[in-house]
Amino acid sequence: EAQVTQNPRYLITVTGKKLTVTCSQNMNHEYMSWYRQDPGLGLRQIYYSMNVEVTDKGDVPEGYKVSRKEKRNFPLILESPSPNQTSLYFCASSLRGRNYGYTFGSGTRLTVV
Amino acid sequence: GQQVMQIPQYQHVQEGEDFTTYCNSSTTLSNIQWYKQRPGGHPVFLIQLVKSGEVKKQKRLTFQFGEAKKNSSLHITATQTTDVGTYFCAPANTGNQFYFGTGTSLTVIP
Repeated sequence: EAQVTQNPRYLITVTGKKLTVTCSQNMNHEYMSWYRQDPGLGLRQIYYSMNVEVTDKGDVPEGYKVSRKEKRNFPLILESPSPNQTSLYFCASSLRGRNYGYTFGSGTRLTVV
Repeated sequence: GQQVMQIPQYQHVQEGEDFTTYCNSSTTLSNIQWYKQRPGGHPVFLIQLVKSGEVKKQKRLTFQFGEAKKNSSLHITATQTTDVGTYFCAPANTGNQFYFGTGTSLTVIP
């Protein structure tokens, strides 16, 4: 089944403890991206990747890191999480960027205390 | 980021009534996509519009792209409880970023 798989689905962590949210897609998509969704603010792009070893900042990249060493994987790293990073995170991929529809993962609900 | 306004923010309708959400941009768009997110779920791609004045239908859903390619609408005829959710537009002009409108939350009252 074609899908984007995110893990974990839920995570509660403490301020400053490094964490990684994994994202993997099995559709051979070139474009992958991370979003955070907050009430009243919609979906905001954190980082995106046009292809392997190519990543770019979105609108809200501060406090996040990403890497794209393989085409299928695009992990989101929070080196030192803070409470303002408490949010619902989505990974998404598309075949080749902006002219193709996104497939979203099921989301990761992150709480930083 | 992309300057786009999506209205209304919320809409409550009686089951069977029609519903429309609008996405308005200050700049000309190359294309626009629409997504639906059910409560507790993730956004799901519905459709992409590319041509000026384009109209596409999916059962009770009608999608339109304005003649000037600056606005778009999603119209649902005779809403059902399964239509509940938030509808997002995702407009594009140039560049590689993928923006979303703020969404319209639809509640359908049985």
